[in-house]
Parts: sequence; structure tokens; C-alpha cells
Amino acid sequence: KNEVEQSPQNLTAQEGEFITINCSYSVGISALHWLQQHPGGGIVSLFMLSSGKKKHGRLIATINIQEKHSSLHITASHPRDSAVYICAVAQETSGSRLTFGEGTQLTVNP
Amino acid sequence: GAGVSQSPSNKVTEKGKDVELRCDPISGHTALYWYRQSLGQGLEFLIYFQGNSAPDKSGLPSDRFSAERTGGSVSTLTIQRTQQEDSAVYLCASSRFLSSGNTIYFGEGSWLTVV
Repeated sequence: KNEVEQSPQNLTAQEGEFITINCSYSVGISALHWLQQHPGGGIVSLFMLSSGKKKHGRLIATINIQEKHSSLHITASHPRDSAVYICAVAQETSGSRLTFGEGTQLTVNP
Repeated sequence: GAGVSQSPSNKVTEKGKDVELRCDPISGHTALYWYRQSLGQGLEFLIYFQGNSAPDKSGLPSDRFSAERTGGSVSTLTIQRTQQEDSAVYLCASSRFLSSGNTIYFGEGSWLTVV
């Protein structure tokens, strides 16, 4: 079992839909990151969370430390949101490295 | 510079040759990471540098891989006697301190193809 699991692996939505991507982890963490990987391979950090909730534009990220679960929400989705979304955790025992989920391929159709 | 800079962007090399990949982190970032992503695979940790501390090399897949960071800034990842399974995109990232507490910034990656 992977230490970081994401669901779904693939997600197709229509423009305007509300999207949720989930991340569950099985280890103690000091922080959780949500990353966005564009088709060309470039990676952008969206959020870094250690508790609660953060919002940036149409993106919202939440984390529940007790349940070891985080969600990334996209409101009013747009085709330009199409990308791979990756959850990564910084483990308490190895703060220097990130452990990555397999990623969620999101496709938003016009 | 404004972001993490990596070079070369693309490299095609013959099996058995050595390659060097370069990373310029964001100015002032003391933490630097190397990851790689093989085609269709997730991201894989390779090595981590933090200031003047000994690097965490626990992710390097074999002794053909090495990395150094000179002057606490630029880093070079060297792959000796390249093999076809080394083909991947090699991503460098930096952050102010440990990634556990700070946003991590990724470069665009160096795409390595071993033929």
C-alpha cells in the first residue's frame, strides 16, 4: 500500500463543474503539498498545508490531520485547469524529502 | 533569477556516456532537491541538500548517480555510464528551508533520453 494515495486517478469534467480530488496518507506528516503538473511537465506548487483550509482563487485545499486526509477543490472548472494534480507529504520522520501520490489526471472539457 | 533554472532542457545521450544536469535554485533558498519522473510514473526522490549539512542521498538509485552543490547554490547531478532506464525528466526544486515548512518551487526539468 502506498503511503500517499490519491483518488480518483483520472477525472473528466465539463467546464463549470465543481471538482474534488482526494488524498489520504498513512504516515505522520509535518506538511502536505498540492502540486499541479502541466502537460509539458512543469510543476507548480499550489498549496502547502499543515492544518485547516487555504483558498487561492478558484482553488481550495483542506486537510484533516486526525483523519489523515486532504482534499483539493476546484470551483467553476475551466479547460485550462486540465493538468495532473499531485499530493505530496513531508513526513515527520524525514522532513527533508517529499513522498508523492501517483497524481490525478484532470481533463476539463469545454 | 526569478525561478529555479535547469539546464539542459533536453539531452539525448548514448548508452554508456556520462551526463551532467545543472540546477540554479532561487536565490536565498538553502534547500535544494533533485527528483526524477520516468514516463508514466510518479515523482521519485533522489537527493536533498540543506545548507552546509551533509546531503540526504538516500534516494539515489545506484552509485552511478552523484550530485554536488557548490557554494550552497548551484547543483550538478551527474549520471555515469548512462543506461536506458535512466531516461526520465529530472526535476530540481528549492525552498527557503525544509520543504516541511515552506513552499517548494520546481524547475522546468531536464528531459534525458538514453539511446
